[in-house]
Amino acid sequence: KQEVTQIPAALSVPEGENLVLNCSFTDSAIYNLQWFRQDPGKGLTSLLLIQSSQREQTSGRLNASLDKSSGRSTLYIAASQPGDSATYLCAVYLSVTDMRFGAGTRLTVKP
Amino acid sequence: DVKVTQSSRYLVKRTGEKVFLECVQDMDHENMFWYRQDPGLGLRLIYFSYDVKMKEKGDIPEGYSVSREKKERFSLILESASTNQTSMYLCASSSNLATGAGTEAFFGQGTRLTVV
Repeated sequence: KQEVTQIPAALSVPEGENLVLNCSFTDSAIYNLQWFRQDPGKGLTSLLLIQSSQREQTSGRLNASLDKSSGRSTLYIAASQPGDSATYLCAVYLSVTDMRFGAGTRLTVKP
Repeated sequence: DVKVTQSSRYLVKRTGEKVFLECVQDMDHENMFWYRQDPGLGLRLIYFSYDVKMKEKGDIPEGYSVSREKKERFSLILESASTNQTSMYLCASSSNLATGAGTEAFFGQGTRLTVV
């Protein structure tokens, strides 16, 4: 059974710091991996999708990497800002319609 | 921009009522999903649909049903609402395309349902 773990559960950093969020999964036979952000009381906003044949994706200050063999993905946020404060979730695709979500990392960026 | 729109942000219903949650997407996506999200339990899949009139049970279908009469619309129905169905409900859609953006999933803004 695919288990998706995100560590740490919560993270607090000062503004301007670079940071890394981690996502690990137990079964390396994945289809895709997607990172989302969720603001309190809101839906999920897609940040980056990494297809299984890719190693990384970049969007602005965000960079996501995927290492299927070790069952790990990281989301790197450069020069963090208070507006980055949110919960970040990773989702592993076992198939086109089967996504398994981690519990999320709650990020607080202090001014 | 892909848009997934849920009909209500907040709903308050009474125990025993029949409740309809509506979701519409504008990207011609084949797949649509309903999740609920609860503190400490994360996102749990209730039902999904991969085509019009087609549906599959997810992890927690009990107490729910769904309807997909048109490709763009996916409805979640609580036949007789109970207090343990108080939750945040999230709708999502995705494509089956294996190229380009692949199967990127997009979510609606969520519906906070309270059953009293």
